[in-house]
Amino acid sequence: AQKITQTQPGMFVQEKEAVTLDCTYDTSDQSYGLFWYKQPSSGEMIFLIYQGSYDEQNATEGRYSLNFQKARKSANLVISASQLGDSAMYFCAMRVPSSGTYKYIFGTGTRLKVLA
Amino acid sequence: DAGVIQSPRHEVTEMGQEVTLRCKPISGHDYLFWYRQTMMRGLELLIYFNNNVPIDDSGMPEDRFSAKMPNASFSTLKIQPSEPRDSAVYFCASSSGGRHPYEQYFGPGTRLTVT
Repeated sequence: AQKITQTQPGMFVQEKEAVTLDCTYDTSDQSYGLFWYKQPSSGEMIFLIYQGSYDEQNATEGRYSLNFQKARKSANLVISASQLGDSAMYFCAMRVPSSGTYKYIFGTGTRLKVLA
Repeated sequence: DAGVIQSPRHEVTEMGQEVTLRCKPISGHDYLFWYRQTMMRGLELLIYFNNNVPIDDSGMPEDRFSAKMPNASFSTLKIQPSEPRDSAVYFCASSSGGRHPYEQYFGPGTRLTVT
């Protein structure tokens, strides 16, 4: 079954330090996409980063990078130099082909708290 | 540029009533998604449209839920009759499928409470 697993319900990190949020996925498809969203306490969902299954390089977007380990089926999000504004819920998600269209599957999220 | 617009932002209704949630996607986006978020079930994709045509509605919980997209700038999600277990935040999102189909822009959400 296609699934996204985020095992860390909550994480703390000191301001200016790096933090890794874990995400593992399960799919039998060869072609798929993985992405991360941020949801601050205000409630909106903000796209952060995308990794295609055939991309050889890890995706990076500013302070965000995606540590893609295909054999392990993991797509961890790394945030460097954490800022107080990074405190939020983070969702890992996957897009997989399904009957000529796509399915979008989200994990349960990790709540990150950045400490001053 | 205006982002995805949802209305109402909050809705409180009694069990059995009809509820209609509205969404205006970002102009030029050809994909529109409806999601539901609850503490128990997390974020669930209900249905999505491409060029106003429903593509995948397998996430729609039951026949009480229906969604339409009569044109490129408007979509509705209707619940009839509503039940307390429908209480959730409903998000609408849009994306420009041609370039970045995975980069969805979410609206602020509609918080629905069914009493």
